[in-house]
Amino acid sequence: SQQGEEDPQALSIQEGENATMNCSYKTSINNLQWYRQNSGRGLVHLILIRSNEREKHSGRLRVTLDTSKKSSSLLITASRAADTASYFCATAPKRQGAQKLVFGQGTRLTINP
Amino acid sequence: NAGVTQTPKFQVLKTGQSMTLQCAQDMNHEYMSWYRQDPGMGLRLIHYSVGAGITDQGEVPNGYNVSRSTTEDFPLRLLSAAPSQTSVYFCASRRGREDGYTFGSGTRLTVV
Repeated sequence: SQQGEEDPQALSIQEGENATMNCSYKTSINNLQWYRQNSGRGLVHLILIRSNEREKHSGRLRVTLDTSKKSSSLLITASRAADTASYFCATAPKRQGAQKLVFGQGTRLTINP
Repeated sequence: NAGVTQTPKFQVLKTGQSMTLQCAQDMNHEYMSWYRQDPGMGLRLIHYSVGAGITDQGEVPNGYNVSRSTTEDFPLRLLSAAPSQTSVYFCASRRGREDGYTFGSGTRLTVV
């Protein structure tokens, strides 16, 4: 079964608005990662947040992690048409020695011009 | 620096045929994984490796074999193709467990 679940499954916003995607997971993790996938392409790593971190920034991306709620969020500020893609969270479960990386089903983000 | 190279990009197989999907990386990464992506299912882990000579099963290993004789290569073998194995297959590599994966561009496999 999937370790992570993204919410919402699909999100459509206007260019310039902020986009927020959420990820919930089931077991204790070593770290959580976010990836982007443009249609028909491979995934691209965006950001990694460790279990002892609460927030991390990278350019227009902000990731938060709440281990007590087993959840994370990805915020994209000032969205652009080029941000249209699917976004996946992936978790490294501690009980598997953090060797595996398990993906959720993704959020499909559409930025309307 | 080519990153992760997957071949072929497209393949059509008949039920019962076998084949090997190739994956090579030139970044000296220890960790490599194979995932399959089906519509609405996200990515599911097939097999992974934490170094040459070390492999382990993921979520959906049945019908697939892997080996890791070198750091660079991690081929995925389909033993007897079934229509349920129609999917897009991604190979990925990373330096260690605290790093993100670099993905290949994928192999689109159709089994008829």
